[in-house]
Amino acid sequence: GIQVEQSPPDLILQEGANSTLRCNFSDSVNNLQWFHQNPWGQLINLFYIPSGTKQNGRLSATTVATERYSLLYISSSQTTDSGVYFCAVEVNDMRFGAGTRLTVKP
Amino acid sequence: GAGVSQSPRYKVAKRGQDVALRCDPISGHVSLFWYQQALGQGPEFLTYFQNEAQLDKSGLPSDRFFAERPEGSVSTLKIQRTQQEDSAVYLCASSLERAFYGYTFGSGTRLTVV
Repeated sequence: GIQVEQSPPDLILQEGANSTLRCNFSDSVNNLQWFHQNPWGQLINLFYIPSGTKQNGRLSATTVATERYSLLYISSSQTTDSGVYFCAVEVNDMRFGAGTRLTVKP
Repeated sequence: GAGVSQSPRYKVAKRGQDVALRCDPISGHVSLFWYQQALGQGPEFLTYFQNEAQLDKSGLPSDRFFAERPEGSVSTLKIQRTQQEDSAVYLCASSLERAFYGYTFGSGTRLTVV
C-alpha cells in the first residue's frame, strides 16, 4: 500500500520562529489533507490541498503532486501551535503519516 | 449537533470484556468513518459507512471488531473479548459525502485494556 512519511518526527521551536513540515508519499493520490491534533486529541482540518498552494493566516501549504510531496509552513509560531501535525492522503481510504510533534516554547 | 460526539470519552476494560463505543455524527452527514490511533502513531482506517451501508470494513483488525449504523446516523463500534493490543484511541469522523475535505473528527474514545 501507499507509504506516507513525515519529517521531522519532532520539532521544538521558540515562540516566533518559522518552520516547515514535510510529507512524502509513495504513489499518486486523489487527495491530500493536513490536520493538527491538539494536546486534547482533537483533530482539526487545516488544509485540503491535492495540489498547489493555499494560505490561511500564519499557515500555508504547498503540494507538488508530480513529485509526491507536500509542505506545511508555520510562520511566527505561537505556543498554541503545539501538537501533532498529520498529513493524510486518499487512495481508496485516507492514510495518515506518523505525524510531526511540534512543541513551541514561550 | 454542532460537532461529532463520541462516548464514552474514556473506557477501561478488563481483558476479555466486550465494549461498545458510540459515535454521533453531524446531522445530515452521509459518510461516517472509524479510525484507530495507537499511542504515538497516526490514525489507522477501520471502516466506512455511507448512510446505513457499511461499504468498506477492510481496516478492521479481526473478527472481534464489529461496527454498525442501523439508521444511518449514530454508529457503534463493538469490540468483543478485548485484548491489550486493542488499547488505543478510537476516532470517528463524518462528512457530507466521501470527499474528505469535509471530514470532521470527534474527540475520540480512549480505550485501555488491563
